[in-house]
Amino acid sequence: DVKVTQSSRYLVKRTGEKVFLECVQDMDHENMFWYRQDPGLGLRLIYFSYDVKMKEKGDIPEGYSVSREKKERFSLILESASTNQTSMYLCASTNHGGASYEQYFGPGTRLTVT
Amino acid sequence: AQSVSQHNHHVILSEAASLELGCNYSYGGTVNLFWYVQYPGQHLQLLLKYFSGDPLVKGIKGFEAEFIKSKFSFNLRKPSVQWSDTAEYFCAVSLSGAGSYQLTFGKGTKLSVIP
Repeated sequence: DVKVTQSSRYLVKRTGEKVFLECVQDMDHENMFWYRQDPGLGLRLIYFSYDVKMKEKGDIPEGYSVSREKKERFSLILESASTNQTSMYLCASTNHGGASYEQYFGPGTRLTVT
Repeated sequence: AQSVSQHNHHVILSEAASLELGCNYSYGGTVNLFWYVQYPGQHLQLLLKYFSGDPLVKGIKGFEAEFIKSKFSFNLRKPSVQWSDTAEYFCAVSLSGAGSYQLTFGKGTKLSVIP
């Protein structure tokens, strides 16, 4: 059973703080993704990674960076948090190849920036 | 870039009513199509997916979806909804082919089922 875990369910940070969101998957998946979910906007891709130390920008990378030093772990970094980054952040993973490109999602981190 | 449109923002139905949620995508090539569901307080999970073959796909909990290539549509259906189907539903598309792992999501449709 695939498991994607995120370090926090709820997080409150102040404007200007550096914020780290951690994601770990236990299925040896090559690909990992960070999305933000906002009401009425659906899920929007921030960054993704298809291998260790590799990263690609998604649709809304501004204000974010990522790190993937180990295969199972993908971190999202907000260098200087702003109130417009208050959102639900979802991590997902999927494997290379095969017939299945299903993405498996973590429970989400609800971040509030005050 | 591909895009996904979900026609309804919020749908309210009584139990036992039939459900159809619309989804259209814009891309001329071969695509993979998905419906995900997010129950209140839970994480996103896959309802069903289409890659190839029979355009009518069946998923979990009695849901099905039909891929109509000529209409660029992948509508979700259920003949009789239950209160436990109250959730938010997301349609998503990825490009078919090697290295195509990126999903583009629609904005979601909230379904409220009244007992």
